[in-house]
Amino acid sequence: DAGITQSPRHKVTETGTPVTLRCHQTENHRYMYWYRQDPGHGLRLIHYSYGVKDTDKGEVSDGYSVSRSKTEDFLLTLESATSSQTSVYFCAISESISRTGELFFGEGSRLTVL
Amino acid sequence: AQRVTQPEKLLSVFKGAPVELKCNYSYSGSPELFWYVQYSRQRLQLLLRHISRESIKGFTADLNKGETSFHLKKPFAQEEDSAMYYCALKAGGTSYGKLTFGQGTILTVHP
Repeated sequence: DAGITQSPRHKVTETGTPVTLRCHQTENHRYMYWYRQDPGHGLRLIHYSYGVKDTDKGEVSDGYSVSRSKTEDFLLTLESATSSQTSVYFCAISESISRTGELFFGEGSRLTVL
Repeated sequence: AQRVTQPEKLLSVFKGAPVELKCNYSYSGSPELFWYVQYSRQRLQLLLRHISRESIKGFTADLNKGETSFHLKKPFAQEEDSAMYYCALKAGGTSYGKLTFGQGTILTVHP
């Protein structure tokens, strides 16, 4: 498995609280992504990064922010969690966009917002 | 905008039977298509990509641009093929490697 770790792996929180999920990689890959996985929706891109301090929105970015201050870490923050953000969150990395479509995924972080 | 549709949420077959997981896409440009698989208690991983025209674990997939489809096929299913399968599309141009995934199909192969 590629060196990707997500933390925490499981979290239960209450509506309105802030939550930060961390993705850490040891592969020195340039591209990093946050997806959420929901039944009936598959995986949907939340935010992605194409370099340190370079990030952009995906298709479901509302309510989420990200930061990447160093190559190895990509943080996903829910400023004020809502029940609709209950989901499994996956981080993925990619070495190069020329290595087409090969994303390496973390194990996922299961978030429950009560 | 691109879109990937997997019409079957669940698919059940018996061991040794052929299996086909359907994938249709919409995209105005020239896409790259992939199949990802998630086995129980394992990470999501790349199964195959259309540009390689390869067979992985007995699975093949052919890109049909006329029908905008990329169905995954295997002539003889095995129990270890039971998993969640995702079809994914990468748009051309400066897409930064982003993938658009379908809704996923859970394949169950019965003994």
